[in-house]
Amino acid sequence: DAMVIQNPRYQVTQFGKPVTLSCSQTLNHNVMYWYQQKSSQAPKLLFHYYDKDFNNEADTPDNFQSRRPNTSFCFLDIRSPGLGDAAMYLCATSRDLPKNRGPYEQYFGPGTRLTVT
Amino acid sequence: GNSVTQMEGPVTLSEEAFLTINCTYTATGYPSLFWYVQYPGEGLQLLLKATKADDKGSNKGFEATYRKETTSFHLEKGSVQVSDSAVYFCARISGGGADGLTFGKGTHLIIQP
Repeated sequence: DAMVIQNPRYQVTQFGKPVTLSCSQTLNHNVMYWYQQKSSQAPKLLFHYYDKDFNNEADTPDNFQSRRPNTSFCFLDIRSPGLGDAAMYLCATSRDLPKNRGPYEQYFGPGTRLTVT
Repeated sequence: GNSVTQMEGPVTLSEEAFLTINCTYTATGYPSLFWYVQYPGEGLQLLLKATKADDKGSNKGFEATYRKETTSFHLEKGSVQVSDSAVYFCARISGGGADGLTFGKGTHLIIQP
């Protein structure tokens, strides 16, 4: 039974055309993360939500935004995708943050592979 | 900044061989350490973890010991199976106030029958 679901699994968009990737979870976890994984590289954290609080990593480009309308759903918006944004985007959840008497396991979805043409 | 370094792949072994995948981390604080596995077409799954020095994480025949003196968390398995073929990621809590994970680049393991 899938606990972290990402849709779609594969997404093709055009250069400069906004695109939204979605993630949903059935775990009722407080924290939702978005990671970017480029080919043959390590996943890199873009941002996360702790409940409704948004936390952006310092080096995440402004081109990337996120929304979390409720506990279950979190969206990654890329306002103007460039060729360099082609990557696998991984959503993950955890019950709480590591600093709150963690660590807490992060549960990952299968990822969405984004192609920019 | 904090980082994780793991051996480059692909690593190709025969079934029942002994496996070691090396992982070292930068020694900022005392981070919790993890190994994640990614099977083809699936998301990352936690394989094992260790939260303090000398802890040994183990699962499905895999083991890794948190070595503070060598800042290492090498993954081992005594006898690999074809079904162990996957990409393995070593990771640490990012630390320094950051709340995510810092991953190594991943090691692609291929087990041949």
